Amino acid sequence: EAGVTQFPSHSVIEKGQTVTLRCDPISGHDNLYWYRRVMGKEIKFLLHFVKESKQDESGMPNNRFLAERTGGTYSTLKVQPAELEDSGVYFCASSLQPQGPPYNEQFFGPGTRLTVL
Amino acid sequence: GNSVTQMEGPVTLSEEAFLTINCTYTATGYPSLFWYVQYPGEGLQLLLKATKADDKGSNKGFEATYRKETTSFHLEKGSVQVSDSAVYFCALSRANAGGTSYGKLTFGQGTILTVHP
Repeated sequence: EAGVTQFPSHSVIEKGQTVTLRCDPISGHDNLYWYRRVMGKEIKFLLHFVKESKQDESGMPNNRFLAERTGGTYSTLKVQPAELEDSGVYFCASSLQPQGPPYNEQFFGPGTRLTVL
Repeated sequence: GNSVTQMEGPVTLSEEAFLTINCTYTATGYPSLFWYVQYPGEGLQLLLKATKADDKGSNKGFEATYRKETTSFHLEKGSVQVSDSAVYFCALSRANAGGTSYGKLTFGQGTILTVHP
């Protein structure tokens, strides 16, 4: 079974440009999460989809970030226009709909390293 | 709000040395606790978990015990190998009293472990 995949693996853009990151979750996983790690700091939650609906977007830093998950399959995260502080590694994770146990194992992709110059 | 604090790194050890990476947390409700590991060039992988107080998670020789009284979840391994070199992240996920996970993970800043032959 394929794991979570992310594209591209690296992206280098200039300030003011637009970048779109893509995440393909594990097939059948209703839950999809976006996280970001900036400059060796902690990994921070951005948002959570359940199927195509945004369950929690409390971690989105500002309105320059737009996440979509049309059809409840893959997701995109667009940054427009990009700023220097957006540089970091963007991780995507997916999980099954939690049932029973209180935990909800998330399977992570390898991340997209974004550099804004 | 919820937070996770890990010991500062990086940590450098010789093969077969004893490893401890400290992790403490602040959370409301009934958090589940996790250790994730990121090997070079790969995504995060769940290493072990504990879902209630006094639970011990274990995997690949690593162990961590959920200590509610000290709000800690320290990672230990009795004899590290070169292949354990990676970045280790402590994380928590809240759940309500009924056991339903809120999903999103709160991470610590990560600890880089390097093991030399």
